[in-house]
Amino acid sequence: AQTVTQSQPEMSVQEAETVTLSCTYDTSESDYYLFWYKQPPSRQMILVIRQEAYKQQNATENRFSVNFQKAAKSFSLKISDSQLGDAAMYFCAYRELQGGSEKLVFGKGTKLTVNP
Amino acid sequence: DSGVTQTPKHLITATGQRVTLRCSPRSGDLSVYWYQQSLDQGLQFLIQYYNGEERAKGNILERFSAQQFPDLHSELNLSSLELGDSALYFCASSVVSGFTEAFFGQGTRLTVV
Repeated sequence: AQTVTQSQPEMSVQEAETVTLSCTYDTSESDYYLFWYKQPPSRQMILVIRQEAYKQQNATENRFSVNFQKAAKSFSLKISDSQLGDAAMYFCAYRELQGGSEKLVFGKGTKLTVNP
Repeated sequence: DSGVTQTPKHLITATGQRVTLRCSPRSGDLSVYWYQQSLDQGLQFLIQYYNGEERAKGNILERFSAQQFPDLHSELNLSSLELGDSALYFCASSVVSGFTEAFFGQGTRLTVV
């Protein structure tokens, strides 16, 4: 089974600055999807950004971008111009294909604090 | 609003009891996933149903069971509850294979006392 590792249990950033959250994964597949989900205090899981493995270009969504290094199996999330509303748990996830089924495998999360 | 509805939002029950958590997927989504989120385990995949049939099983205890009904809503049944079953239970839904996003409900917070 694939595994997803987030090595930073907690991170903090000053408002308006940039922060990078790390994620590594283990897979033998060549085509797959990676995701970053945000979980604010409301508990809702919100998709932040996705990356298809066959695309070499890094995905970008407004202030959020990823650094996807396929050979290194690394998928980090960069948040630029951090805002107070970015404070949340961030989960890296991998879409696993196994036995004809698909599911998301999550890392344990990184708690991001944004300081005013 | 993700379009996925979970009820109830909160549930407090005693050890040894049985509870049922309900999930209505997004309109048109045939796949339903159940996840358990506890403090020390992150989000653990429990089980997936696709169009009424069980498709994949994760770390789901034998005391837990699920089903998906013809109208595609799903129920997760937890029995002989233990203190360690206290967690946030999420339901997510997606279209058929090759999904590019799974949509999550707001979760059910289960507290076993």
